[in-house]
Amino acid sequence: RKEVEQDPGPFNVPEGATVAFNCTYSNSASQSFFWYRQDCRKEPKLLMSVYSSGNEDGRFTAQLNRASQYISLLIRDSKLSDSATYLCVVNSYDLGIGAGSYQLTFGKGTKLSVIP
Amino acid sequence: EAGVTQSPTHLIKTRGQQATLRCSPISGHTSVYWYQQALGLGLQFLLWYDEGEERNRGNFPPRFSGRQFPNYSSELNVNALELEDSALYLCASSLNGKDAKYEQYFGPGTRLTVT
Repeated sequence: RKEVEQDPGPFNVPEGATVAFNCTYSNSASQSFFWYRQDCRKEPKLLMSVYSSGNEDGRFTAQLNRASQYISLLIRDSKLSDSATYLCVVNSYDLGIGAGSYQLTFGKGTKLSVIP
Repeated sequence: EAGVTQSPTHLIKTRGQQATLRCSPISGHTSVYWYQQALGLGLQFLLWYDEGEERNRGNFPPRFSGRQFPNYSSELNVNALELEDSALYLCASSLNGKDAKYEQYFGPGTRLTVT
């Protein structure tokens, strides 16, 4: 089973639409969760952290369900500039070398195209 | 505040050669991470450096190595290049890697092409 799974899309939506992305993770000991966006041939940029209580940043709302190991991202009133690939990212403790560390595991991303 | 910087932007090498990629973290960040993103694939964790030490590495062969300097900048070395090493190599930094809450911020990447 893949560690972080996302629907690859693409999601093609008209401007102004509401779109939701879902993500599931397999490591129940995961500690923190993020959504990043990545434009074509660019680096990932942090969109928002995801908290158990849910959090909102303007048109973006993120939710976390630890019991179901499920994360979601809702984008309201989609803009053309929202077109990108959205990456679900999970931070899990890894024993690694010596004291261990947290390690980010990325989903493969969901591609969103907002159409005029 | 300057973000994470990487050099070079593009690198073209032939099979069997060595490649050196460089990264400067955000000021104040002590942790540097390296990732590989091959075409059509997700980001794969390569290496983590913190306070000058290698703290963790992903599932990559030993010919992928690196180091972190006293100023927290880092370099990634890839020896005996293979065609499948062609990818975008991303560097990220965070305040430290020992606390789950610290987000990682990415540089623009180095696109390595092996011919």
